[in-house]
Amino acid sequence: LAKTTQPISMDSYEGQEVNITCSHNNIATNDYITWYQQFPSQGPRFIIQGYKTKVTNEVASLFIPADRKSSTLSLPRVSLSDTAVYYCLVGDLSGGYNKLIFGAGTRLAVHP
Amino acid sequence: EPEVTQTPSHQVTQMGQEVILRCVPISNHLYFYWYRQILGQKVEFLVSFYNNEISEKSEIFDDQFSVERPDGSNFTLKIRSTKLEDSAMYFCASRPKEDRHGETQYFGPGTRLLVL
Repeated sequence: LAKTTQPISMDSYEGQEVNITCSHNNIATNDYITWYQQFPSQGPRFIIQGYKTKVTNEVASLFIPADRKSSTLSLPRVSLSDTAVYYCLVGDLSGGYNKLIFGAGTRLAVHP
Repeated sequence: EPEVTQTPSHQVTQMGQEVILRCVPISNHLYFYWYRQILGQKVEFLVSFYNNEISEKSEIFDDQFSVERPDGSNFTLKIRSTKLEDSAMYFCASRPKEDRHGETQYFGPGTRLLVL
């Protein structure tokens, strides 16, 4: 499993775009990049997953450069309710990879 | 939207007592998991379960822990003799068979276990 590095914390203000970058220098060919969000006292929630280039859904965008050694989660126009911990996970898409390995994540605080 | 449910939401027990944490995964999901999160720490994998057997377990999941899917809907985690260090939030998760990446797991709201 590829080790990931992301900032411990970030601060933002309502209405701003937030970009959280994750480094995964040892990413393998079969690895996908997945982001989860966790609110206090709740279970992690899947946000977005990608392999390369850009992926966008109703919640966020995920930018992955050609070398795939990093990825950036982009949250457009954050609100107070986006205050949470965001986890970057990198793992194999083939059979046998079942468990999720969470790091410390990035604690995002959105201020009024 | 279907969701994973867990009961109870909170449980307080005495050290040495047995506890059973219950989960109802999403109905068409086939892979089930338990994780735990000690207050202020990372989410840690405990065990995965597929086809009525454990597929992987972590070092945390020792002989005091067991899992069971007693019927078609429930998935339980039993701790036989609780220790103070078992105090944590326990999350159940499930994923559908067609999610071949193994990443898109759906988590329940958790059970907060406090061992006194």
